[in-house]
Amino acid sequence: DGGITQSPKYLFRKEGQNVTLSCEQNLNHDAMYWYRQDPGQGLRLIYYSQIVNDFQKGDIAEGYSVSREKKESFPLTVTSAQKNPTAFYLCASSRGWTGELFFGEGSRLTVL
Amino acid sequence: QKEVEQDPGPLSVPEGAIVSLNCTYSNSAFQYFMWYRQYSRKGPELLMYTYSSGNKEDGRFTAQVDKSSKYISLFIRDSQPSDSATYLCAMNSPYDKVIFGPGTSLSVIP
Repeated sequence: DGGITQSPKYLFRKEGQNVTLSCEQNLNHDAMYWYRQDPGQGLRLIYYSQIVNDFQKGDIAEGYSVSREKKESFPLTVTSAQKNPTAFYLCASSRGWTGELFFGEGSRLTVL
Repeated sequence: QKEVEQDPGPLSVPEGAIVSLNCTYSNSAFQYFMWYRQYSRKGPELLMYTYSSGNKEDGRFTAQVDKSSKYISLFIRDSQPSDSATYLCAMNSPYDKVIFGPGTSLSVIP
């Protein structure tokens, strides 16, 4: 089945540690995105990538980093510079600049 | 003013009721309008996708777009307990990022 796989589903981190969230898609989509979801705030765009080896900052990129070495993969690193990292993180993909986004199941990060 | 506004609810209705969910927006450049459904602790899934103004129907779901009023709606007929979820409106202009509303939490009571 085609889709987006995010891992891990739940992650706990101590303050000051970096953590990497995995996102893999087999939909052959060019575009991939990372969103952060907090209660009552909707989805906020962290980073996006339209093609391999290229990515752009979204609205809340500070404290995060990404890479796009393969079309299928778009990992997100939450660094220790992110002031409030506890959130639900969602990876998505699309064929292009459309609103038809396909989402993964999400990764819930909790900083202890 | 936020770009996309949506009443967060929660909205609670009895099974079989007609549900109306709404969003307003400020950017007149938006041309693509979407509704996503998100079950608890899951990723959103695309429910309806419309271009420009007008109506689109898919089974029990109808999406309406009124660009002159900058207002979009999602109607759910004969609501079912399985419709209990958070509904996110979303929109974008051509070749630009998607902007999401904060979502409305819906509970359909058997």
